[in-house]
Amino acid sequence: QQQVKQSPQSLIVQKGGISIINCAYENTAFDYFPWYQQFPGKGPALLIAIRPDVSEKKEGRFTISFNKSAKQFSLHIMDSQPGDSATYFCAAMPGNTGKLIFGQGTTLQVKP
Amino acid sequence: SAVISQKPSRDICQRGTSLTIQCQVDSQVTMMFWYRQQPGQSLTLIATANQGSEATYESGFVIDKFPISRPNLTFSTLTVSNMSPEDSSIYLCSVAPWGANYGYTFGSGTRLTVV
Repeated sequence: QQQVKQSPQSLIVQKGGISIINCAYENTAFDYFPWYQQFPGKGPALLIAIRPDVSEKKEGRFTISFNKSAKQFSLHIMDSQPGDSATYFCAAMPGNTGKLIFGQGTTLQVKP
Repeated sequence: SAVISQKPSRDICQRGTSLTIQCQVDSQVTMMFWYRQQPGQSLTLIATANQGSEATYESGFVIDKFPISRPNLTFSTLTVSNMSPEDSSIYLCSVAPWGANYGYTFGSGTRLTVV
C-alpha cells in the first residue's frame, strides 16, 4: 500500500535520445510526486514534481506524465546528455505529511 | 531553497560506538526529516525531527538506536547508537522551505562505515 514501484532498474540511452523512467503506486492518499536526481557521493537533488490534479508538467528537458486512474507517473528526459548520467528516484507523499516514500531508483547511463 | 550542511561528511567507526550527525540549515524550516540510504539502495525515512519535542519514528526505527534532537528551527542531530556493520549507510537530512510542504531538499549526507 505504501510502496512506490520504479522501473527499469537501469537504463542505457544514446546521447540525444529520450530516457523514460516509470513509477507506479497503490495508495490513493499520495498527493505529491517528485523526482530526484542523485550523483555519486551527493545527496538527491529535486528535479521536478507534480500534483495529481495535473496530467503533465514540463521543465526544460524534463517532463512528468501523470496518469491518476492508472496510478502511474513517469519521467521523460528529452535530448539526453552524458551529464544526465545519474540515479533517478521517484517518490510520493501521502497527504501533507512531508514524508517521502521513494521508488527503488533507476541508474541512467547516457552514452556519447 | 534552503541550503543544508551536514557534518561529518563521512566517518569510519568501530562497532559498539555511537556517532552524532549534525544538520544545519541556513534558514528556518518547519519540517526536518532524517533518511537512511543503504549502499546501492533507495532512501528510507527514519524519523521526523520535531522542534522542541520528541521525534516521530517510522516503523522499524526506535529512539534508543537513533536518538534525534531538534533544539531550534535550523538545526537537528541524529545519533546512531551502539553501531554494527549493518548501520553502514548514508544518512541524509531533508527540509522543505518555511511554511511549505513540498520542494524538499536534501543535504549531501553522511557516509558512515562501521567496522
